[in-house]
Amino acid sequence: EVQLLESGGGLVQPGGSLRLSCAASGFTFKNYAMTWVRQAPGKGLEWVSVISGSGDRTYHADSVKGRFTISRDNSKNTLHLQMNSLRAEDTAVYYCAKVVATYYDFWSGDYPNWFDPWGQGTLVTVSS
Amino acid sequence: QSALTQPASVSGSPGQSITISCTGTSSDIGGYNSVSWYQQHPGKAPKLMIYDVGDRPSGVSNRFSGSKSGNTASLTISGLQAEDEADYYCSSYTSSTSWVFGGGTKLTVL
Repeated sequence: EVQLLESGGGLVQPGGSLRLSCAASGFTFKNYAMTWVRQAPGKGLEWVSVISGSGDRTYHADSVKGRFTISRDNSKNTLHLQMNSLRAEDTAVYYCAKVVATYYDFWSGDYPNWFDPWGQGTLVTVSS
Repeated sequence: QSALTQPASVSGSPGQSITISCTGTSSDIGGYNSVSWYQQHPGKAPKLMIYDVGDRPSGVSNRFSGSKSGNTASLTISGLQAEDEADYYCSSYTSSTSWVFGGGTKLTVL
């Protein structure tokens, strides 16, 4: 059974940093791109970052570009999100998810892709 | 990248059918078949319901179906059941090597 377990959330002051982790099991981790999606309290889903299976490709939403960095350790089946210069508007539940596609090289968009499964999420609160 | 447009809420009685629309642009929904739908119950993680526009993962009821026409995707739930009451989100891959979600639709089963 595929399982994703996030950790590292908590309360942090504006301008501070936090590192989230997502422990994966039940699948060959290095073969799959992974992504982070967040959800502010009472709001909808917002895509944050994605990283390829090998880690050589990373992309971030404009709202976090230059502040957040996605990375992975394939030897430990773990995904990370380093969040710096945190703002109040970064307050959200952060979910990690496995990117599934009909072909491994889906980046051009020629091959359908989707997120499945999702972890249970970890809450990040940015407040003084 | 602007969020995809979904109705804020829809409702239906048990046994009825409802359709949730999701409108984007040629840079997302209209340009790719990477349209997926997620169900989220309160306090829970999103769950994949539809992928590749109209395919269902194993374990998802065949009462759920998806389609796309131009820049608009749709999720139809037939034979509404109380357990279908939840928030539903559409998502699409985009030309910016990113993903975009809809604002979410709250489904109420009357």
